[in-house]
Amino acid sequence: RKEVEQDPGPFNVPEGATVAFNCTYSNSASQSFFWYRQDCRKEPKLLMSVYSSGNEDGRFTAQLNRASQYISLLIRDSKLSDSATYLCVVNGNTGFQKLVFGTGTRLLVSP
Amino acid sequence: DTGVSQDPRHKITKRGQNVTFRCDPISEHNRLYWYRQTLGQGPEFLTYFQNEAQLEKSRLLSDRFSAERPKGSFSTLEIQRTEQGDSAMYLCASSLGGGRGEQYFGPGTRLTVT
Repeated sequence: RKEVEQDPGPFNVPEGATVAFNCTYSNSASQSFFWYRQDCRKEPKLLMSVYSSGNEDGRFTAQLNRASQYISLLIRDSKLSDSATYLCVVNGNTGFQKLVFGTGTRLLVSP
Repeated sequence: DTGVSQDPRHKITKRGQNVTFRCDPISEHNRLYWYRQTLGQGPEFLTYFQNEAQLEKSRLLSDRFSAERPKGSFSTLEIQRTEQGDSAMYLCASSLGGGRGEQYFGPGTRLTVT
């Protein structure tokens, strides 16, 4: 079983739609959780950290369920510029050194 | 630009040759990481430095790979006797100590071994 599992997609949605991505992780000792965004042939960019209480940043909302080892990302009012691959990321050990990435979920937003 | 920088951005080499990549982290970051990413996969951890000390290495880092961070600032990753399976994007990231460990990535070096 992979340490971080994501649906690879692609998710094809029209502009303005709401889309949700899910992710599960296997290491119950993980302490930090993130969503990164990666455009084609570019580096991953930190989108947001994920907190136990859930957190929101504009159109983006992240949720964490430690009991189920489940992380989600909700994007409201999708824009064309949201088209990218979204990577679910957890730290793989204590001390926050090693990040473990999912394979990513590809999002395509169309006009 | 005060982000992470990497050089070169692209490298094409013949099998058996040695290659070296450089990473300059964000200036106040004392932690530096190397990852490798192949097509359709997320980045995979290779190694981690805190200041000049290499504190963790992945099993992916065979004895043909060596990384250094001699003065706790920039880092180099060398691959000796390259193989076609080494073709990948090599990503460097840096972070501050403490906090949640957010890592910020450089643009990567894309290696093609022919």
